Amino acid sequence: DAKTTQPPSMDCAEGRAANLPCNHSTISGNEYVYWYRQIHSQGPQYIIHGLKNNETNEMASLIITEDRKSSTLILPHATLRDTAVYYCIVRVRDSNYQLIWGAGTKLIIKP
Amino acid sequence: DAMVIQNPRYQVTQFGKPVTLSCSQTLNHNVMYWYQQKSSQAPKLLFHYYDKDFNNEADTPDNFQSRRPNTSFCFLDIRSPGLGDAAMYLCATSRAGNYGYTFGSGTRLTVV
Repeated sequence: DAKTTQPPSMDCAEGRAANLPCNHSTISGNEYVYWYRQIHSQGPQYIIHGLKNNETNEMASLIITEDRKSSTLILPHATLRDTAVYYCIVRVRDSNYQLIWGAGTKLIIKP
Repeated sequence: DAMVIQNPRYQVTQFGKPVTLSCSQTLNHNVMYWYQQKSSQAPKLLFHYYDKDFNNEADTPDNFQSRRPNTSFCFLDIRSPGLGDAAMYLCATSRAGNYGYTFGSGTRLTVV
């Protein structure tokens, strides 16, 4: 069963920051939060992951609450090419296969 | 660029006729995965290889088999495709540990 809850869809204006929320209230201490996105008819693309500290890379920032029960993926300057389904995923630490996928958020960037 | 390549991009097969999908990687990752993704759903793990060790998900039908002859290649065999097996099949690789997966572009399978 999915361990994450995401809104089914969101809109964001081009050039603005897109903030995608995810609830993972039953996350365990040894589980990471991963974010992937899937542009229509393509394979999922890794974005970022974290355990308890906030993380930033060239694509996005990940903010994890102190109690780790929720997180937010931030795309700082959304472009039309960021339109995709964004998946928030829990992964058991040091597990090679246990990606527990949620239903994802369809993010639509509008001009 | 290092990548995960799936062939073919689109595959049409007849009901009941065996079909093989292929995946190759230039990343030298020791873990390879096969996922099935149906329309508007999240990907569903079928099985994975850690090096040569095969790991099947409990609910993966026996109709689905896999082979990994070497580090670079992995195959998904569907012995008798049914209409319900029409889906996107995704191959992914990763290094062991807490690393992101790299996915291929997928093979969209149509069963007629």
